[in-house]
Amino acid sequence: KAGVTQTPRYLIKTRGQQVTLSCSPISGHRSVSWYQQTPGQGLQFLFEYFSETQRNKGNFPGRFSGRQFSNSRSEMNVSTLELGDSALYLCASSLDRGYTDTQYFGPGTRLTVL
Amino acid sequence: AQSVTQLGSHVSVSEGALVLLRCNYSSSVPPYLFWYVQYPNQGLQLLLKYTSAATLVKGINGFEAEFKKSETSFHLTKPSAHMSDAAEYFCAVSDSGNEKLTFGTGTRLTIIP
Repeated sequence: KAGVTQTPRYLIKTRGQQVTLSCSPISGHRSVSWYQQTPGQGLQFLFEYFSETQRNKGNFPGRFSGRQFSNSRSEMNVSTLELGDSALYLCASSLDRGYTDTQYFGPGTRLTVL
Repeated sequence: AQSVTQLGSHVSVSEGALVLLRCNYSSSVPPYLFWYVQYPNQGLQLLLKYTSAATLVKGINGFEAEFKKSETSFHLTKPSAHMSDAAEYFCAVSDSGNEKLTFGTGTRLTIIP
């Protein structure tokens, strides 16, 4: 069974641009969560989607948005990029809602903002 | 709100020695607790999780953790360290019924040959 895949793996953008990251969950998984990982702030929850609905959101500005499609694939978008958005963005999927289900993480997308 | 504190951002142990990584949590409701491992340039891999069943939880790669409510702790242990255990380890908590994970700041484990 294929794991969680994230594309692209690496991305370089400049300030002010926007970016879209993609996450394909494990087949059959309906919940997708996104996290931002930085050396200074560590791992921070961005948002969680289940059946195309955002169920939970972390404390990030509105420049960060996401969506989930009917096949459970998810995208996150960051508009008007800032230097501080440079990070590893991790996607995780699980069968159902709730964190008693094992969350499987993808390898991440490393975003560098210049 | 729940939180997690990992004591020691860097831990070094000799190969074959006991591994002990510390995690204390704060939660107003019964928590679900997790340990994840992250190898360089990779995502997170679940080692084990506590979801209010047995207090001693066994995970993959010989790791285990014990939930101690009185100490609000969930320390990770492995009896004998292996070189392949070198990685960063994260403790995480979620409140039952709340879907988001709150992570600790991580502990980088170095194995000395």
